[in-house]
Amino acid sequence: DIEMTQSPSTLSASVGDRVTITCRASQSISSWLAWYQQKPGKAPKLLIYDASSLESGVPSRFSGSGSGTEFTLTISSLQPDDIATFYCQQYNSNSPTFGGGTKVEIK
Amino acid sequence: EVQLVESGGGLIQPGGSLRLSCAASGFTVSDNYMTWVRQAPGKGLEWVSIFYSCGGTYYADSVRGRFTISRDNSKNTLYLQLNSLRAEDTAVYYCASGEGYCSSTSPMDVWGKGTTVTVSS
Repeated sequence: DIEMTQSPSTLSASVGDRVTITCRASQSISSWLAWYQQKPGKAPKLLIYDASSLESGVPSRFSGSGSGTEFTLTISSLQPDDIATFYCQQYNSNSPTFGGGTKVEIK
Repeated sequence: EVQLVESGGGLIQPGGSLRLSCAASGFTVSDNYMTWVRQAPGKGLEWVSIFYSCGGTYYADSVRGRFTISRDNSKNTLYLQLNSLRAEDTAVYYCASGEGYCSSTSPMDVWGKGTTVTVSS
């Protein structure tokens, strides 16, 4: 199985800060990577797919980049509504896998 | 409106069985891959099982041999049969879907709100 490793596990930043989350795959997954946002008590919400494509309706302050084994999710200007846990997920294989998650907090 | 609604969760004793359902509306389950993802209390997301449009099914190592995924096209519903339940199976179980005939070449873009399974004596 393909393992996905996210860092950091927790991130504290101020409103307006640029925030970057990293996701590494244990083997190449081309660009078959998605990012999800999950707020407490809610289902995950798709933000980014194919590593860098923005899902319809998602604010443009979210962006994704990378290919192969290294990927990043960037929030260009952190907003109070962005407080959540973010997960990367690979869909390169028949058995999808998620990263461990990154909890984003307001400093 | 595209929607997934899970049901069937509850409190069950270790070793027991449960069947979860995921009713779809606004799209046809046989046209998409359908999958189950779970989240233990305070933990991250864990993929559990997937049912592809072509009929292929796959399971996470942690549930293989105990859980069975199935689909009823006439009811436009996905199921997950949970047998030999353990305390570590306690979680919110989400149903999700995406495009893919025999492989998941797309993300999970539709999610249900989840159903809670608690395994405890």
